[in-house]
Amino acid sequence: DAKTTQPPSMDCAEGRAANLPCNHSTISGNEYVYWYRQIHSQGPQYIIHGLKNNETNEMASLIITEDRKSSTLILPHATLRDTAVYYCIVRVGGGGSQGNLIFGKGTKLSVKP
Amino acid sequence: DAGVIQSPRHEVTEMGQEVTLRCKPISGHDYLFWYRQTMMRGLELLIYFNNNVPIDDSGMPEDRFSAKMPNASFSTLKIQPSEPRDSAVYFCASSLNAGSYGYTFGSGTRLTVV
Repeated sequence: DAKTTQPPSMDCAEGRAANLPCNHSTISGNEYVYWYRQIHSQGPQYIIHGLKNNETNEMASLIITEDRKSSTLILPHATLRDTAVYYCIVRVGGGGSQGNLIFGKGTKLSVKP
Repeated sequence: DAGVIQSPRHEVTEMGQEVTLRCKPISGHDYLFWYRQTMMRGLELLIYFNNNVPIDDSGMPEDRFSAKMPNASFSTLKIQPSEPRDSAVYFCASSLNAGSYGYTFGSGTRLTVV
């Protein structure tokens, strides 16, 4: 699986949008971008994933650049409960294939009042 | 659904003792994963199963670690004998169809070996 690069930490004001970047310049054509987060003392939680189109769900939006070498996770209105470590992961998958979910160090997002 | 259920939540044991961690995956999920998390190494995949069959155990640190999945609703991770360096949070996760729509993780077992 391709490696990803994320900033180690970011701050965001409560109620503002949080934009978390991820670089994956060596991504292959059949690799998806997945985002998970881990709130302190809990297990990781799936947020969203995509291949090349932008995706949106009730938790977040995922913007993938046209060349697929980077992406941004957007939390539109961050709350204190969004304080967590956010992991960007690239892996083969999306339809029945096997592939391990390999976690890097992620970005520690701190939402401040 | 109650989600992925792990037990116990906390375990403190003495070095040399056998430790067994338990996991009940989400009903209908056909993949089960065991991860370990430490400050130094982050989240590491230890082993995963598909339809109760171990597929890849290359992440298991050494022979002291073993995992079983006797049926679709239960898995164990055993450490025998335990050592202080095994102290970590152990997570179990399950998924449908190799995680196309994400893995669901349990709350973890915090293991302390003294």
